[in-house]
Amino acid sequence: DAGVIQSPRHEVTEMGQEVTLRCKPISGHNSLFWYRQTMMRGLELLIYFNNNVPIDDSGMPEDRFSAKMPNASFSTLKIQPSEPRDSAVYFCASSKEGGTTEAFFGQGTRLTVV
Amino acid sequence: GENVEQHPSTLSVQEGDSAVIKCTYSDSASNYFPWYKQELGKRPQLIIDIRSNVGEKKDQRIAVTLNKTAKHFSLHITETQPEDSAVYFCAATPGGYQKVTFGTGTKLQVIP
Repeated sequence: DAGVIQSPRHEVTEMGQEVTLRCKPISGHNSLFWYRQTMMRGLELLIYFNNNVPIDDSGMPEDRFSAKMPNASFSTLKIQPSEPRDSAVYFCASSKEGGTTEAFFGQGTRLTVV
Repeated sequence: GENVEQHPSTLSVQEGDSAVIKCTYSDSASNYFPWYKQELGKRPQLIIDIRSNVGEKKDQRIAVTLNKTAKHFSLHITETQPEDSAVYFCAATPGGYQKVTFGTGTKLQVIP
């Protein structure tokens, strides 16, 4: 298996633009997580899906952020409109079953909003 | 919700010495405690984990201890090597479909 695949690896966009980050989890994994990593706030969980259903979205910072998982092999994280403070590395991770099994992280998307 | 505190934030050791990173958690229901290593510019990767039914687990030069009564757990790295230099994150979760809460990370530098 190729592991968790994220795209794009790098994204530079202007403030106010829509940004869509994509993730393909490991086949057979039931849980998918979106994290944001910054120097100031560390690794923050934004949203967590299990069997394609959002279980916990309490970490989504604002209504500008939305996430979907239309099927077991694809998820998106969208920011609309983007702001400079959204600049961070966004990681997607998947696990076989919830939070009590190893989470496998993708390589991350480095987002820069100018 | 769960709160995980991690210390120290930075740690420098001489090659060959031991390194210890400590974490505390707040939710007594937490029962799974993974540790992740993140090298510069790379993704976090699991290095060891422990569940609440054991007090200690070891894998070669890495060991983790858990004290449920005190609600703290620690990562021990012996005979450190330069390739151990990275940021280490502890985490805790009550299990089931509860979310995993990460500590703030410890930047370990092993000086050759």
